[in-house]
Amino acid sequence: QSALTQPASVSGSPGQSITISCTGTSSDVGSYNLVSWYQQHPGKAPKLMIYEVSKRPSGVSNRFSGSKSGNTASLTISGLQAEDEADYYCCSYAEEVFGTGTKVTVL
Amino acid sequence: EVQLVESGGGLVKPGGSLRLSCAASGFTFSNAWMSWVRQAPGKGLEWVGRIKSKTDGGTTDYAAPVKGRFTISRDDSKNTLYLQMNSLKTEDTAVYYCTTSSGAYLGAFDIWGQGTMVTVSS
Repeated sequence: QSALTQPASVSGSPGQSITISCTGTSSDVGSYNLVSWYQQHPGKAPKLMIYEVSKRPSGVSNRFSGSKSGNTASLTISGLQAEDEADYYCCSYAEEVFGTGTKVTVL
Repeated sequence: EVQLVESGGGLVKPGGSLRLSCAASGFTFSNAWMSWVRQAPGKGLEWVGRIKSKTDGGTTDYAAPVKGRFTISRDDSKNTLYLQMNSLKTEDTAVYYCTTSSGAYLGAFDIWGQGTMVTVSS
């Protein structure tokens, strides 16, 4: 199973919105709504931010939102804050495959 | 408190073996499907393998790079997950995390350990 494809990096200024894409195939992202997103700060374990494409776990800011169209899922961070600077990974749970990861930089 | 704590990492020579453990607490371990995920230095997350609960058959699945060399097992009486790694290669160098879904969030890994570092080097 090949890794899902994400852009290597995305950047934005504080207060702006950014979107990270996660492209798979009709066998993973396209077939199931079990797409999740994880935030990882340096030296820390990943943290669940979005599950089932667009649902937020308890305690996660509503500035984080998810969507999916066809074989591509997306994570949008609105009102970008300095603390959002981290690596982000998508995951197709059904196929147990992660994305390549995206480094988010807050300018 | 829901918690996963990995142990057993260290330095091992190529071709060697190592066994990692993951102690679980704060949730019903025996009902959980448990996974190992690794992260090579400076690289992304890579799913390593998974073991289902005994209720669901207790079967295992592995990523292609580790199949035939790694074995996942569990001891529900000790609330502990294991990863036996044999024939280790330099490319197995990584932080190894155990992870699972609490059941609160469908199809997502919401419980993670802190990770344990495995270095394969001569």
